[in-house]
Amino acid sequence: DAGVTQSPTHLIKTRGQQVTLRCSPKSGHDTVSWYQQALGQGPQFIFQYYEEEERQRGNFPDRFSGHQFPNYSSELNVNALLLGDSALYLCASSFVSYEQYFGPGTRLTVT
Amino acid sequence: GEDVEQSLFLSVREGDSSVINCTYTDSSSTYLYWYKQEPGAGLQLLTYIFSNMDMKQDQRLTVLLNKKDKHLSLRIADTQTGDSAIYFCAESKSSGNTGKLIFGQGTTLQVKP
Repeated sequence: DAGVTQSPTHLIKTRGQQVTLRCSPKSGHDTVSWYQQALGQGPQFIFQYYEEEERQRGNFPDRFSGHQFPNYSSELNVNALLLGDSALYLCASSFVSYEQYFGPGTRLTVT
Repeated sequence: GEDVEQSLFLSVREGDSSVINCTYTDSSSTYLYWYKQEPGAGLQLLTYIFSNMDMKQDQRLTVLLNKKDKHLSLRIADTQTGDSAIYFCAESKSSGNTGKLIFGQGTTLQVKP
């Protein structure tokens, strides 16, 4: 049984560009959450998708947007990248909300 | 409010017990979690406890919850070098919430052989 997968593993972008990160949930899971983890910090909640809709959002600007597809996979889009967006982006999937399983993350570097 | 705090670093000898502590502020938190993160990797769910429990044991792991003091601890028995990692405490609410996790800043556990 494959766990949560994310792509790409690493990504380097320039300030002002746009980026799309992808996540496939664990088999049987229908909810996807995205987190940002800056170096040396704990993960910060960005938003959660369920039934193809954003169900809850953390304290992140509108430059961060997402999408969930009918097969439950999800994308995180970040527009107008800033240096401060450099972080590890983690996707977590769940079936019942209290058990969230994380993927390996995408390391985004903005130069 | 929502805030989770942990001590930043713990060093133990192989074979000793490790105790990692965490405090949280939101008394309405329903679930409390421990995650492990190894270098360059994602987060591994170790265990979690529902807020109406005081203790949960799972093999070498023991979680203690003191709701009155809003204090959570993770005890690792017979700590091994493979337990070296960053450990995150997290809280969540269930009803009226979607399972958003609020994390502490992590405790780095160093296990010396």
